[in-house]
Amino acid sequence: KQEVTQIPAALSVPEGENLVLNCSFTDSAIYNLQWFRQDPGKGLTSLLLIQSSQREQTSGRLNASLDKSSGRSTLYIAASQPGDSATYLCAVTKGASNQFYFGTGTSLTVIP
Amino acid sequence: EAGVAQSPRYKIIEKRQSVAFWCNPISGHATLYWYQQILGQGPKLLIQFQNNGVVDDSQLPKDRFSAERLKGVDSTLKIQPAKLEDSAVYLCASRLPGARETQYFGPGTRLLVL
Repeated sequence: KQEVTQIPAALSVPEGENLVLNCSFTDSAIYNLQWFRQDPGKGLTSLLLIQSSQREQTSGRLNASLDKSSGRSTLYIAASQPGDSATYLCAVTKGASNQFYFGTGTSLTVIP
Repeated sequence: EAGVAQSPRYKIIEKRQSVAFWCNPISGHATLYWYQQILGQGPKLLIQFQNNGVVDDSQLPKDRFSAERLKGVDSTLKIQPAKLEDSAVYLCASRLPGARETQYFGPGTRLLVL
């Protein structure tokens, strides 16, 4: 059974800092990995999707890397802003059914 | 483009009562998912539909949970009878056909069972 772990569970940083969120998974036979953002009382918003054949994806201040063999992914946020405060979830899929296995999330607070 | 719609947004019931949630996916999205997200945890898949057929319901507690998608569009998720541990956010997601397509999530229904 696929298990996804995210470290740290919570993170608080001052505005402007660069930060890294970590995600690890037990079964390296994944189809793709995706990072989501969840704001309180709202659904999930997709940030970055990395296919299993890719090593990284970038979108603006966000960069996600994938090391499938070691079962790890990182989400790098550059020059953090208070608006980045949210819970960040990673999810891996296995097989064409696209079923997600989610981590427990990292709650990020960016202090102005 | 309209997103995934869910209703109600909030529901408070007493244990042993019944409750139903509704989801309207993005137009054209054949695949629909229901997830349960307990506070402090990541979402857990309950059931996956492809059009009106069930693809995966292995984690659905079938003694009390049921879901349907009769016409391959809207879907309902029902709990009968509810237990205290069913308190959670229920998320609906949909996607286009194709394994590389991402899932789009609705805002969720927050259920509190007293």
